[in-house]
Amino acid sequence: DAKTTQPPSMDCAEGRAANLPCNHSTISGNEYVYWYRQIHSQGPQYIIHGLKNNETNEMASLIITEDRKSSTLILPHATLRDTAVYYCIQVYPGGFKTIFGAGTRLFVKA
Amino acid sequence: DTAVSQTPKYLVTQMGNDKSIKCEQNLGHDTMYWYKQDSKKFLKIMFSYNNKELIINETVPNRFSPKSPDKAHLNLHINSLELGDSAVYFCASSRDGVWTGELFFGEGSRLTVL
Repeated sequence: DAKTTQPPSMDCAEGRAANLPCNHSTISGNEYVYWYRQIHSQGPQYIIHGLKNNETNEMASLIITEDRKSSTLILPHATLRDTAVYYCIQVYPGGFKTIFGAGTRLFVKA
Repeated sequence: DTAVSQTPKYLVTQMGNDKSIKCEQNLGHDTMYWYKQDSKKFLKIMFSYNNKELIINETVPNRFSPKSPDKAHLNLHINSLELGDSAVYFCASSRDGVWTGELFFGEGSRLTVL
């Protein structure tokens, strides 16, 4: 079973920031948090990952709480093309196994 | 060039048949995976290969047999197809284990068993 929990769906207005939360209360000290998204029925696409510090790349920002039990993915200026299912996953030690939960379906509305 | 390519994209077949899905990656990655996404959209790992060796087999029925002839290819053969095998199957690769990088997914192969 997936160890992360996410809200099933969220709405966001186009041009506004989309903040997607994820709980990973059982995460261990050496496990990373990864975020992916899946647009319609395409293959999932990597967005960002982090361990302890906040991270930013050209797609998004990742804010991880100090206790590492939760994180938030931020899409700073959501567009209609950001409508997708967003998955937050814990990467297990050894790195070969990942479990994707149900994710959050983000609807970006004009 | 497509980084991770799967064929076929769509496959419709009868129960009891045997079918294969092929996957190739041109990224030079060491690790490849097969995932299954069912009708509820849960994405579950099935197999993982690292340098052609099986690393993970997530209690997948013996009817499913992955084969990795080389690091760039990971094919999935399914015997005696059942209705419950209907799903989208995704191939993925990573530079090493996911630990060190992200997963690159193919576009999926939608299998429908009638």
